[in-house]
Amino acid sequence: ETGVTQTPRHLVMGMTNKKSLKCEQHLGHNAMYWYKQSAKKPLELMFVYNFKEQTENNSVPSRFSPECPNSSHLFLHLHTLQPEDSALYLCASSQESGQGDYGYTFGSGTRLTVV
Amino acid sequence: DQQVKQNSPSLSVQEGRISILNCDYTNSMFDYFLWYKKYPAEGPTFLISISSIKDKNEDGRFTVFLNKSAKHLSLHIVPSQPGDSAVYFCAAINYGQNFVFGPGTRLSVLP
Repeated sequence: ETGVTQTPRHLVMGMTNKKSLKCEQHLGHNAMYWYKQSAKKPLELMFVYNFKEQTENNSVPSRFSPECPNSSHLFLHLHTLQPEDSALYLCASSQESGQGDYGYTFGSGTRLTVV
Repeated sequence: DQQVKQNSPSLSVQEGRISILNCDYTNSMFDYFLWYKKYPAEGPTFLISISSIKDKNEDGRFTVFLNKSAKHLSLHIVPSQPGDSAVYFCAAINYGQNFVFGPGTRLSVLP
C-alpha cells in the first residue's frame, strides 16, 4: 500500500453508463493528479488540483469530470465514454503542485474498459 | 512533441549484469529528474532522483547520471536482479510546472 488508494481496481462500463473513480490519500499532500496510461504511450496528465483548486486541465474531453472536495479525496466522474478511453487511470499526490523535490506518490490505478 | 523520450521500449539483461536505461529530454529548463518503476497492476513507485546541479546520484544498486549538455540521463542498475523486471519511467520537471513523463522502458532481467 503506497498511501494513495484508488477504487475500484477494475471497472467495465458501457458507453452510456455513468461511473466514478475514487482516489484517497492521507499523506498530508496538498496536490492531487489524474493521469491516463494507454498502452505504449507516455503517462498523460489529465487534471491537477492544488489545495483543492483545479490548476490544470490538459485539454481533457468533458466526458471526464474531476471533483476534489478536499485535499485528501479526488474523484473522476465518467459519462458517455468511448472505447478508446479504455486505459489505466492513475491518481497521484504530492506536497504541492509544481515542486519537484518530493516527487509523486501514485496509487495502483483503475483499469477501465469501455465496451 | 515529446519533451522526455525513452527511445528503447524494451531491454533484456542477464541476471548479475548491468542494466542501463536511457532518457533524453528537450527542455533545457528542466531542473529535476526522477526515475519511477512500475510493476504490472501497480502504480509507479519512486526510485531515484537527481537535481540539475549534480551529475550523479547513487542509491545502493541504482545510480542515475545526468549529462546536461547532452540533455541525457541514464539509470544504471548493478547487479541486475530478476525482481528489477518492470517498466521504468523517466520524469522531468521545471520548478513551478508539473512532471513530464517519458513513455517508459520495459526491463526484463533474465535468470
